[in-house]
Amino acid sequence: DGGITQSPKYLFRKEGQNVTLSCEQNLNHDAMYWYRQDPGQGLRLIYYSQIVNDFQKGDIAEGYSVSREKKESFPLTVTSAQKNPTAFYLCASSTMGYNSPLHFGNGTRLTVT
Amino acid sequence: GQQLNQSPQSMFIQEGEDVSMNCTSSSIFNTWLWYKQDPGEGPVLLIALYKAGELTSNGRLTAQFGITRKDSFLNISASIPSDVGIYFCAGQDLEYGNKLVFGAGTILRVKS
Repeated sequence: DGGITQSPKYLFRKEGQNVTLSCEQNLNHDAMYWYRQDPGQGLRLIYYSQIVNDFQKGDIAEGYSVSREKKESFPLTVTSAQKNPTAFYLCASSTMGYNSPLHFGNGTRLTVT
Repeated sequence: GQQLNQSPQSMFIQEGEDVSMNCTSSSIFNTWLWYKQDPGEGPVLLIALYKAGELTSNGRLTAQFGITRKDSFLNISASIPSDVGIYFCAGQDLEYGNKLVFGAGTILRVKS
C-alpha cells in the first residue's frame, strides 16, 4: 500500500537537544512538506521541497532544518534554537500538478521538557 | 500571510442532526479543500473543490466553492458518532506557490 510514514509516533527530548523526525513516502510524489500543529490553531508550514536537493522555508522555519537527499525522504530536525518545540508535527506529500491535494502522514508528537 | 477564518470553532450536536461549517478569506483561492483529522492521526482529504460555484458531494458530505472564490462551506447530513474529529478547510493558490493555507479547524463532537 502506498502512503506516508512518519516515525516515531511519540518522541521525548530534553531541552537543548536537537531531534530529527523521519518522513518517508512511497507515493512517488515530487513535493514534500512539514507542518506544525498546535491546539486551536491551523496547520502552519515549516519547510517544503518540490525537488530533490532543493527546499524552501515556510511560514515558521526558524529553529528547524531539513534535507532532501532522496525523493522518498524528507527528515525534519528540530534544533535547540526552536523556542517552543513541543507540538504535533505532520509530514505531507503531493504531486507537482496544479491544484494537487496534499496527503498526510499520521504525525509525530514531540514533547520537550 | 494569507489567513482563513473558519467557524464555528467547535460544535456539540445530537446524532442525526445536520452540521454546517464554513471558511472565509480576504484572499482569492483557486482551490478549496476540506480535511478531517481524527485524534492523534494525520488529516484525511474529504472533498476538493476546483471551480467557483462548484457544489460537490461525498456520501453525507457536501461542500461548495463560493462564487467570490473567498469562501467555502461544508455540510454533513445525519451526523453519526464516527463523524467526531477536527475538520479543516484549506485554500490553495498558485500565487502562494501552490501551498495550502489552513483554517484553525472546527472540532465536532456528537452526542449519541
